Amino acid sequence: DGGITQSPKYLFRKEGQNVTLSCEQNLNHDAMYWYRQDPGQGLRLIYYSQIVNDFQKGDIAEGYSVSREKKESFPLTVTSAQKNPTAFYLCASRSRYVRTGGEKLFFGSGTQLSVL
Amino acid sequence: GQQVMQIPQYQHVQEGEDFTTYCNSSTTLSNIQWYKQRPGGHPVFLIQLVKSGEVKKQKRLTFQFGEAKKNSSLHITATQTTDVGTYFCAVTNNDYKLSFGAGTTVTVRA
Repeated sequence: DGGITQSPKYLFRKEGQNVTLSCEQNLNHDAMYWYRQDPGQGLRLIYYSQIVNDFQKGDIAEGYSVSREKKESFPLTVTSAQKNPTAFYLCASRSRYVRTGGEKLFFGSGTQLSVL
Repeated sequence: GQQVMQIPQYQHVQEGEDFTTYCNSSTTLSNIQWYKQRPGGHPVFLIQLVKSGEVKKQKRLTFQFGEAKKNSSLHITATQTTDVGTYFCAVTNNDYKLSFGAGTTVTVRA
C-alpha cells in the first residue's frame, strides 16, 4: 500500500529533550516537506528537501533539524532550542508530472507533539 | 516567503446554501493548489490551477484562477455536511518551496 507513514502518532517531550519524528514514503518522490500546524491555524513550512542529501530551511526552521540520507526517509528532530514545540507536525512528499507541470503533495497522517 | 491571504477565516453555512472562499496574492503566481483537511485529519489535494482565467469543476466545487494569476476562489454549491473541514490554498515560492494560506474553516448547520 503506497503512501507516507509518520510515527509516532502522539509524542511527548520533556523539558530540554530532543525528539525525532519519523517520516517514510514509498512513492518514489524526490521532494519532501515538514510543516507545523497550530490549532486553528494554517500550515507553516519548517524544512524541505528537493533530493537526497540536500535540504533547505523553510519559514520557521529555528529549533528544528532534518536529515535526508535516503530518498524514502526525512526525519525531523525537534531540539531543546524550540521553546514552543507543542503542535501537529505534518510530513509530505511531492509528485510532479514533468510533461504537464502538474504537481501535488501527499501528506502523512501527522504527529501530535506535546510538552510534559 | 510568498504570502497568500485567505478569506474568510471561518465560514458558517446553512446546509444547502452556497459559499465562496478566496485566496489572494500580491504577486503573480505560477500556479495555485487547493487542499481540504477534515477535522482530525491531514490535508488532501483537491486541484491545481495553472492557466490565467482557468475554471475547473469537481461536482459541487468550482475552482477559479484569476486573469492576472494573483487570486483564486473556491465556490461550493448546495453545501452538505460532508463539506465540513478546512480548505487551504497553496502556492509555490520557488520551484520547490510550497507555502500555504491560513485556511478557511467551514462548519455546516443542518
